[in-house]
Amino acid sequence: DARVTQTPRHKVTEMGQEVTMRCQPILGHNTVFWYRQTMMQGLELLAYFRNRAPLDDSGMPKDRFSAEMPDATLATLKIQPSEPRDSAVYFCASGPYKNTGELFFGEGSRLTVL
Amino acid sequence: DQQVKQNSPSLSVQEGRISILNCDYTNSMFDYFLWYKKYPAEGPTFLISISSIKDKNEDGRFTVFLNKSAKHLSLHIVPSQPGDSAVYFCAASDAGGTSYGKLTFGQGTILTVHP
Repeated sequence: DARVTQTPRHKVTEMGQEVTMRCQPILGHNTVFWYRQTMMQGLELLAYFRNRAPLDDSGMPKDRFSAEMPDATLATLKIQPSEPRDSAVYFCASGPYKNTGELFFGEGSRLTVL
Repeated sequence: DQQVKQNSPSLSVQEGRISILNCDYTNSMFDYFLWYKKYPAEGPTFLISISSIKDKNEDGRFTVFLNKSAKHLSLHIVPSQPGDSAVYFCAASDAGGTSYGKLTFGQGTILTVHP
């Protein structure tokens, strides 16, 4: 049963601390996306990769957020330093080559910054 | 700039009746539209999609209608069941372009189906 795996599922941290979220995409999928769910914006795109290369990270606050794919089985989203306004659920999703948009989402990482 | 909008934050429907969820978009480059369903503490899951070359796509109790001239799509659920209670997200993609499957989502609509 192929699925996108995200860790941690829940994270509570204090303002100013570094947070790293990890994602294992479905094997064989070559596009990986990071989305953030907020009440006002719904699901907003932070960054995405194709064949591990970053294609678009314009949705990410560059001064504190960074996204990488060290290898095909791992994507990371890092926040340093974290702020209370970063509190949200962060989703990773992956899709196959020539993807029309039917993405497979992980269960999300719920981040609370105090 | 919200390119995909779901103007109804919530919808309440009686079991067995029709649920109609609406979505508007502004970007004329969008050519593929999807609906995702999300239960609490889970990730969104794909429900149904439609290409811009069609105006209707049906899958069981779920039908999506696309009105390109109005830049509007809707999801019909008939008959609605309590298990359909979830958040529904509308999404759009310029799949024929270079977006590589990048989805732009709406804010979501919370559907509650009462027994």
